[in-house]
Amino acid sequence: EVQLVESGGGLVQPGGSLRLSCAASGFSVANNYMNWVRQAPGKGLEWVSVIYTGGSTFYADSVKGRFRISRDNSKNTLYLQMNTLTPEDTAVYYCARDDLAYWGQGTLVTVSS
Amino acid sequence: AIQMTQSPSSLSASVGDRVTITCRAGQGIRNDLNWYQQEPGKAPKLLIYDVFRLHTGVPSRFSGSGSGTDFTLTISSLQPEDFATYYCLQDYNFPWTFGQGTKVDIK
Repeated sequence: EVQLVESGGGLVQPGGSLRLSCAASGFSVANNYMNWVRQAPGKGLEWVSVIYTGGSTFYADSVKGRFRISRDNSKNTLYLQMNTLTPEDTAVYYCARDDLAYWGQGTLVTVSS
Repeated sequence: AIQMTQSPSSLSASVGDRVTITCRAGQGIRNDLNWYQQEPGKAPKLLIYDVFRLHTGVPSRFSGSGSGTDFTLTISSLQPEDFATYYCLQDYNFPWTFGQGTKVDIK
């Protein structure tokens, strides 16, 4: 069974950093492309980033240069390093596999002073 | 970025109704169009990919159609568990973009 479990969310001050993790089971992150999608409170879905099996990465314009997606194949875990956070980054962050066919339950990131 | 425009933004319907939601892309996206369902407080679920292909386990009352720039999600007979928000997504090119969502609630 495919399972994705996000962790690492929390309260962070503007300008701060946070690293999210997404532990996968039932499949290998090395053999699938993996995404991060976020949803601000009461708002719609926003695709954030993807990492392909070959290591290529792509980002939404809103996070380019501030966020970095990566994975650890030995831990079967996906990561999102988030730097220079602003209140506009406040959202539930989901990891999702392939064309967003499978999703985790999400982790809430709140950027506030 | 390709803009995805859904309509309507919300609708009220009754159990058993036929419901249609449309999604228009700002440019042609071939068949790279997916539909997702999100219940309040839960993660989205994939319903349909590549315009019309049902994801595993999705009931056959859901269907998708369209091509180029105009796409449709149809629920043939609305069930109580279908009251949710629906989103389209283009994964034709980066950045992938979602429609703004269509909330389906009980009339």
